[in-house]
Amino acid sequence: DTEVTQTPKHLVMGMTNKKSLKCEQHMGHRAMYWYKQKAKKPPELMFVYSYEKLSINESVPSRFSPECPNSSLLNLHLHALQPEDSALYLCASSHTQTTRGYTFGSGTRLTVV
Amino acid sequence: GENVEQHPSTLSVQEGDSAVIKCTYSDSASNYFPWYKQELGKRPQLIIDIRSNVGEKKDQRIAVTLNKTAKHFSLHITETQPEDSAVYFCAPEGGSNYKLTFGKGTLLTVNP
Repeated sequence: DTEVTQTPKHLVMGMTNKKSLKCEQHMGHRAMYWYKQKAKKPPELMFVYSYEKLSINESVPSRFSPECPNSSLLNLHLHALQPEDSALYLCASSHTQTTRGYTFGSGTRLTVV
Repeated sequence: GENVEQHPSTLSVQEGDSAVIKCTYSDSASNYFPWYKQELGKRPQLIIDIRSNVGEKKDQRIAVTLNKTAKHFSLHITETQPEDSAVYFCAPEGGSNYKLTFGKGTLLTVNP
């Protein structure tokens, strides 16, 4: 298995909802990442997990809450989002945080209404 | 943090022509320089990368060249094909934090 799988592919949520995005990989990678990508913009790093521990938080608002329950899974919990949070959320993984070459998932397209 | 500039922002070529995209960066400690291709509605995919101890790397029609002194690296695509049409991002890695900083992207259109 050489893929990063993200679910759901599309999500529409209200500003008072709580939802979660899921990311899974079975490549034995020990670094996992969340990126946010707005239309016609580059991906922006949100969080990095290294060996299941939060390594980098790019000053992301607390309405985004990451979780890494084990080495294969990465979640992003969403609560009280704003319409401007609508974007493509990409998960990626690499062997370790210092190993080059990310594998990206296909992303979750999130719309906040 | 790393400042990354990518040029041009759009590039239109005829099928069979060559395309060159340039990326400049600010962190002199950067030592890993990848290029990603993102087709419309799809995930970014790593297409080629180079490390700081190498000046050039080639993979079939794609090559990357690095000038560490001038702090820039370039993507070269030869014999372009319509399926090369996509947005290309450079993403140099910061020397101290191992973070990739993506350039703003280049929309490449290859006209048949």
